[in-house]
Amino acid sequence: DAKTTQPPSMDCAEGRAANLPCNHSTISGNEYVYWYRQIHSQGPQYIIHGLKNNETNEMASLIITEDRKSSTLILPHATLRDTAVYYCIVFPPLYNFNKFYFGSGTKLNVKP
Amino acid sequence: ETGVTQTPRHLVMGMTNKKSLKCEQHLGHNAMYWYKQSAKKPLELMFVYSLEERVENNSVPSRFSPECPNSSHLFLHLHTLQPEDSALYLCASSQGAGAQETQYFGPGTRLLVL
Repeated sequence: DAKTTQPPSMDCAEGRAANLPCNHSTISGNEYVYWYRQIHSQGPQYIIHGLKNNETNEMASLIITEDRKSSTLILPHATLRDTAVYYCIVFPPLYNFNKFYFGSGTKLNVKP
Repeated sequence: ETGVTQTPRHLVMGMTNKKSLKCEQHLGHNAMYWYKQSAKKPLELMFVYSLEERVENNSVPSRFSPECPNSSHLFLHLHTLQPEDSALYLCASSQGAGAQETQYFGPGTRLLVL
């Protein structure tokens, strides 16, 4: 089962791009990479997901390396409200919930 | 607002009490989930329901009893809990029950067992 490795914490200046890395070297070909974030004491919030291609939405961009062993979440203009724990998750297909693993995430601190 | 609501937001109970957590989703989804988040531990999946049928029970003690009367509502009945059960309990929903479905989370119920 593909686990993920993320740095425990990162700092980012307000207004600058935040680049959050994730390693998933054992990912399988049919497993998606998802990113969620959790602001203190709230439920996790979906950000973005992808399989092979880079993805962009109104919140963020997801860059997946060609070998799919790592990815980077990019918040283009971080604000103080982006301070949160960011989880990179590899989801197996269908009902393999025994492999459903959120991990410890990266605590992003956006500073004025 | 994610379209998933949970009540109560905070709950304090003794070890001999019986209480229930409620979750409601207004998204027209077919799958609902219960998670537990203890302090300084990763999010743990507890139960998964798809079309009101339980499809996953992740080795959860029997003192936690889920109920899904319809696709919009999910309950977690609690009885004879232990202090180590104190945690944030999160409900989520998704369109389908596949592990790759995007999940939408509620705000959680903060539970303290004395």
